[in-house]
Amino acid sequence: DAGVTQSPTHLIKTRGQQVTLRCSPKSGHDTVSWYQQALGQGPQFIFQYYEEEERQRGNFPDRFSGHQFPNYSSELNVNALLLGDSALYLCASSGGLGQPQHFGDGTRLSIL
Amino acid sequence: EDKVVQSPLSLVVHEGDTVTLNCSYEVTNFRSLLWYKQEKKAPTFLFMLTSSGIEKKSGRLSSILDKKELFSILNITATQTGDSAVYLCAVEMIQGAQKLVFGQGTRLTINP
Repeated sequence: DAGVTQSPTHLIKTRGQQVTLRCSPKSGHDTVSWYQQALGQGPQFIFQYYEEEERQRGNFPDRFSGHQFPNYSSELNVNALLLGDSALYLCASSGGLGQPQHFGDGTRLSIL
Repeated sequence: EDKVVQSPLSLVVHEGDTVTLNCSYEVTNFRSLLWYKQEKKAPTFLFMLTSSGIEKKSGRLSSILDKKELFSILNITATQTGDSAVYLCAVEMIQGAQKLVFGQGTRLTINP
């Protein structure tokens, strides 16, 4: 039973570019959340998707956008990259309210 | 502003010692408190606590929640080098979605 899978594992971009990160939730999970984790910090909530709609959004600018597909997989898009966007981007999935979120290994994004 | 604070931020002990990690929170609309272990990449789920005073146990790890005093502790007995990791505490909110607010984490190092 595959857990949460994310791709790519590492990515290097330059300022101003755009990036797309991908996530496949654990089997049986329909809710996907995205988090940003800076070095030495706890993860910060970006947004959550359920039934292909953004259900809640954290304190992140509109440069961060997402999508959920009918198979529950999800993408995180970041436009006009800044140096401060360098971080580990984690995807988490769950089977619904009252169930714990399970995390993927993340995508390490480096902005030069 | 919703806040989760962990202490200590860093802890170094010898193999076989017992450790207690602390997590206090100030949030609106509390639903549950979760503990995760993060080694290199994905935070791994340990416990989900919703009720005060009920200890959850898994092997040498245990955790308890105090909803009156707004804190939780994670205990690890007979520590092993494999317990070395960052331990993250997160609070789940009732806000229509499963937003997790994380603490900064406690970096635990077990020396042989």
